[in-house]
Amino acid sequence: AQSVTQLDSQVPVFEEAPVELRCNYSSSVSVYLFWYVQYPNQGLQLLLKYLSGSTLVKGINGFEAEFNKSQTSFHLRKPSVHISDTAEYFCAVSDGGTSYGKLTFGQGTILTVHP
Amino acid sequence: DVKVTQSSRYLVKRTGEKVFLECVQDMDHENMFWYRQDPGLGLRLIYFSYDVKMKEKGDIPEGYSVSREKKERFSLILESASTNQTSMYLCASSLMGAVTQYFGPGTRLTVL
Repeated sequence: AQSVTQLDSQVPVFEEAPVELRCNYSSSVSVYLFWYVQYPNQGLQLLLKYLSGSTLVKGINGFEAEFNKSQTSFHLRKPSVHISDTAEYFCAVSDGGTSYGKLTFGQGTILTVHP
Repeated sequence: DVKVTQSSRYLVKRTGEKVFLECVQDMDHENMFWYRQDPGLGLRLIYFSYDVKMKEKGDIPEGYSVSREKKERFSLILESASTNQTSMYLCASSLMGAVTQYFGPGTRLTVL
């Protein structure tokens, strides 16, 4: 069975500061990892994904994440945040073992960017 | 662009009512999913479907059923709504063999 833990439920930061949202996973098989973002009153939008290859993954809106297999982590980072980055962020894992691609999500991290 | 639409953004129902939530995708995706989202719990999978008329239970299927009569449409049914089913419901779709899911805007359901 897979599980995902997002270590911070809320992260407040000031505009232009760097941010890291932490995600740890557990799985007995190879995994695919995702970060989704949900802006207020909207659905989920894919930020980035790790399927294979380079462990540093770049996504939209200046976000990046690093896959660390030994630490079973997939932390999301941005060097300088904007007010518009205020949203809820979800880390998710898929084992890809079936063709259905079921996702297991973390609890979510609410990022609030203050002026 | 993939488009996943859900029939209502907001819905208010009474306890005991039968509730239908509809989801339509326009990209010929084989897989469709229903999740519920609750604060502090993230998204939890209710049911998914990998083909017309095929369905499988997710992690929290109790109190729900689904219907997939056409490839593009996946319906979530609450046979007798209860207050503990007040939640945000999100639909998603993906291609067979792909792991990336595309989400609709969500339906916020309130059961009084």
